[in-house]
Amino acid sequence: EVQLVESGGGLVQPGRSLRLSCAASGFTFDDYAMHWVRQAPGKGLEWVSGISWNSGSIGYADSVKGRFTISRDNAKNSLYLQMNSLRAEDTALYYCAKDISMDILTGYYSYMDVWGKGTTVTVSS
Amino acid sequence: DIQMTQSPSSLSASVGDRVTITCRASQSISSYLNWYQQKPGKAPKLLIYAASSLQSGVPSRFSGSGSGTDFTLTISSLQPEDFATYYCQQSYSTHMYTFGQGTKLEIK
Repeated sequence: EVQLVESGGGLVQPGRSLRLSCAASGFTFDDYAMHWVRQAPGKGLEWVSGISWNSGSIGYADSVKGRFTISRDNAKNSLYLQMNSLRAEDTALYYCAKDISMDILTGYYSYMDVWGKGTTVTVSS
Repeated sequence: DIQMTQSPSSLSASVGDRVTITCRASQSISSYLNWYQQKPGKAPKLLIYAASSLQSGVPSRFSGSGSGTDFTLTISSLQPEDFATYYCQQSYSTHMYTFGQGTKLEIK
């Protein structure tokens, strides 16, 4: 069974850091690009970041650029999101999602066909 | 950045109705447009990719159309399990992906 399981969420003070993880199983992880998508309470979906199969292509939403870093470890079938200088507006449920292609931000077909259940990040003092 | 605008933001309909949701891009995105369904407390689910291709396992009452800047998601005959929030998403940009703000489909 194809599965994505996020972890690492929690309550953190503004300005602090947090690292999210996503464990993948049931598919060949290093054949696919991956994404982080978040959803603030009662709000819509926001794409946060994406990474190609070999980490050669990485992208960020403007709202997190310079503060968040996406990475992956293909040997461990894992995706990560290092979140620094957290703000109240980063409070959200963070989803890990698998792309159908190997690359991202190519101006070609790309879509997220498998999603995890999410991990909650709350930024508050 | 490419902005995605959905209309309406919310919609009330009855079982058996035909429903259309619209998504407009701020610039041409060819057919690089996807649709997702999200039910309360659940992760999003891919319905339509590349504007009009039905994801495996998705009922045929769902269909998508459009290209350029204007796209539609149509549900031909609403079923009780279709009441959810629907999002469009573009993959044309080489800078960042964006979602529409969502359309909440409620029971009339």
